[in-house]
Amino acid sequence: DAMVIQNPRYQVTQFGKPVTLSCSQTLNHNVMYWYQQKSSQAPKLLFHYYDKDFNNEADTPDNFQSRRPNTSFCFLDIRSPGLGDAAMYLCATSRVGRGGSGYTFGSGTRLTVV
Amino acid sequence: DQQVKQNSPSLSVQEGRISILNCDYTNSMFDYFLWYKKYPAEGPTFLISISSIKDKNEDGRFTVFLNKSAKHLSLHIVPSQPGDSAVYFCAASYNFNKFYFGSGTKLNVKP
Repeated sequence: DAMVIQNPRYQVTQFGKPVTLSCSQTLNHNVMYWYQQKSSQAPKLLFHYYDKDFNNEADTPDNFQSRRPNTSFCFLDIRSPGLGDAAMYLCATSRVGRGGSGYTFGSGTRLTVV
Repeated sequence: DQQVKQNSPSLSVQEGRISILNCDYTNSMFDYFLWYKKYPAEGPTFLISISSIKDKNEDGRFTVFLNKSAKHLSLHIVPSQPGDSAVYFCAASYNFNKFYFGSGTKLNVKP
């Protein structure tokens, strides 16, 4: 089945230690997104890739970076995780120009910072 | 600034009854709206959508109503089933490729 896969499902990292979360898709969607969701809050868009074009949200901290080496993969790098970065990170994909069913989401990676 | 708001964090309904989940938005430019359903430990999955040119869209037990003048949409589930117990997010977009989410409403359908 075509899908969006996030690895790992659970990630524990040390305060200040760089961590990378990964997302892959078999849908051949050309837009990929990273959302941060903290408990009982709305998912917050961090950035998205429209093909290879990177689009950062104005309030996304510099601590968060992203890479998209090809259509199928997108990575979220947190350079120096703080306790406040503990959250669920959701990857999503969509086809350009028409939301249709909107996004297809992965299952998320829950990040714990110790 | 939260552009999409779901003011009820939780809702409890008896099986067989109607569930009504509400969502308000502030940006009049939004022209496309979605509802997502999320089970624990899973990513959100698409449920139903509505374009701003409509005021109602129905899919089986699920109906979404849009009131543009009030900047309000609602999701009706009739009849509610225990398997509908999940967190429901509404989302809105004005360019199809960037959606703003509400904080979710946790629905509990009691047998």
